[in-house]
Amino acid sequence: EVQLLESGGGLVQPGGSLRLSCAASGFSFSNSAMSWVRQAPGKGLEWVSAISRSGDDPHYADSVKGRFTLSRDNSRNTMYLQMNSLRAEDTALYYCAKEVLVVVKTATTIYLDSWGQGTLVIVSS
Amino acid sequence: SLELTQALSVSVALGQTASITCEENNIGSKNVHWYQQKPGQAPVLVIYRNNNRPSGIPERFSGSNSGNTATLTLNRAQAGDEADYSCQVWDSNTGWVFGGGTKLTVL
Repeated sequence: EVQLLESGGGLVQPGGSLRLSCAASGFSFSNSAMSWVRQAPGKGLEWVSAISRSGDDPHYADSVKGRFTLSRDNSRNTMYLQMNSLRAEDTALYYCAKEVLVVVKTATTIYLDSWGQGTLVIVSS
Repeated sequence: SLELTQALSVSVALGQTASITCEENNIGSKNVHWYQQKPGQAPVLVIYRNNNRPSGIPERFSGSNSGNTATLTLNRAQAGDEADYSCQVWDSNTGWVFGGGTKLTVL
């Protein structure tokens, strides 16, 4: 059974930093690309960042680019999201999710087939 | 850039069929995925690649995608189907994009 367990959330002041972790089990972590998706209170889902199986070339939403850094340690089956220069608008429940990449002929798509329960980040003074 | 438009809310009578739409210009050329999120819970994938159900998802859930509209259809709606439903697309230019979500109410 796939399990994703997020941790590291909490209350932080604007301008502060947090590091989120996502511990994975029940599947081959090193063979799976991963994503972070967040959900602000009462709002919809927003993709934040994604990382390939090897950890090369992570991608970021424009809203977090330059402030967040995504990495992974395949030996520990864990992904990390370092969040710096936090803003009030970063307040959200942060989910990690396992990606599935499908390539059919020339068409590529990615969806998220397993999600953790989330860790809450509150940015407030 | 890619923007997926969903109605804020949809209501359906118990046992009837609900349709939840996701709109974007020429979305029919893309693969659309759907997630169900019940209150206080993490999202769950219910449809992938337009019309495929993951194991464990009831046959009552189905999807279609054509033209400018992708549709999630829920047959014989049950009280337990009340949730937020979000569509998602991956695009090589825009990346991972979610719709705003539709709240389904079963009356």
